[in-house]
Formats: sequence, C-alpha cells, structure tokens
Amino acid sequence: KQEVTQIPAALSVPEGENLVLNCSFTDSAIYNLQWFRQDPGKGLTSLLLIQSSQREQTSGRLNASLDKSSGRSTLYIAASQPGDSATYLCAVGRKGLTGGGNKLTFGTGTQLKVEL
Amino acid sequence: KAGVTQTPRYLIKTRGQQVTLSCSPISGHRSVSWYQQTPGQGLQFLFEYFSETQRNKGNFPGRFSGRQFSNSRSEMNVSTLELGDSALYLCASSLAGQNYGYTFGSGTRLTVV
Repeated sequence: KQEVTQIPAALSVPEGENLVLNCSFTDSAIYNLQWFRQDPGKGLTSLLLIQSSQREQTSGRLNASLDKSSGRSTLYIAASQPGDSATYLCAVGRKGLTGGGNKLTFGTGTQLKVEL
Repeated sequence: KAGVTQTPRYLIKTRGQQVTLSCSPISGHRSVSWYQQTPGQGLQFLFEYFSETQRNKGNFPGRFSGRQFSNSRSEMNVSTLELGDSALYLCASSLAGQNYGYTFGSGTRLTVV
C-alpha cells in the first residue's frame, strides 16, 4: 500500500525567504507525482506535474524534483511571498488495484504561512 | 477554457437522507475521479471513471456510488447519510493515460446534521 508523508506539517517563514517542502513515498512504482496548493475551504490548484522518468520541473518561482529510487520529492519555493500562504499537497499517481487508471495517493500536506 | 465544475457548492442534509453530487470535467477529459477530504483522514480516493466504466474504487462502504455519462459528466451518490460523511468532496478530471495530471474542481461541501 502506497503511503505518502510530508514534512514539515507546518512552516512559518518571513517574506523573501527561500524554502523547501518535502514529500516521501513508500512504493517507487509510480506514474507521476503532482504538487498542489489548497487555500482554506477551496479546491486544489495544480502547481507542477513530474513524470516518473523526469528529475525535475520548474514553473516560475517553483521547482520540484523527483528521486523515484529513494521515494522522495521536494518543492522549492524561491523568494516567498504572503500570497504563497496555503497548504501544499503532494500526490503520487499510480495504477489502481484493478490494474488500470491512475489513482492519486495524497500526503497530509504542509501548511505554509509567509509573514510580512 | 472552462475548468472542472462541481455542483452544488454547499449542501446541508439530515442523517439518513441521500445526496447526489455532480461534476462536469474539462472538455475532452474522459477520466473523472472523486475524492473525500476530511480534517481527520485527509484526502481519500473514492472512485475513478473512464468511458462510463468504473476503473478503480477506494475503500468506502457501498453507500457511496457513482456513475459517468456518455458526455463524461459524473455524479456520485451517498445513501443513508451519516454524520461522518460530512466532508469536502472533490472531483478531478484528466486526459486518459498515465502521463497526464489531474485538474480539480472547487468541491462540494457536504454537512450532515
């Protein structure tokens, strides 16, 4: 059974700081890994998708890496801003028990607060 | 382009009632998945549909069911509601295949009283 862990559970940083969020998973037989952000009471916004054959993806101030063999991914946020305050979730995609499809297993999230 | 649309946004139901939630995927997306989010359990997978067929099912009781129509729109139904079913229900759609990520809707907040 795939288990996904995110550390830390909560993080508070001053504006402008660079930060790293961590995600680890137990089963390396994955299709891809996706990072999301969730604002309170809202749905999930996709940030980055990394295929299992890729090592990293970048979008603006965000960079995500994937080391499938060690079961780890990191999300790097450069020059953090108050608007980055949200819960960040990683999700690992792999086939379901019936052998088809693409089922996401989520971590418990990192709650980020960027202070002025 | 339009995103994933979930209706209604909020629902309040009484224990024992049943409820139907709706999800319209992004145009062209044929895979639709449902997730339940609670403070205690986090995000848990309910089921995935593709071309009107259920491809995967999570570990939820039979009171939770779903279906997908020929236009890829999906509904999920929860019968005999319990207090513990109170949650944010999220729908996600994707192009078919393992190389594509998921786009989520804003969710339906269900409160059972």
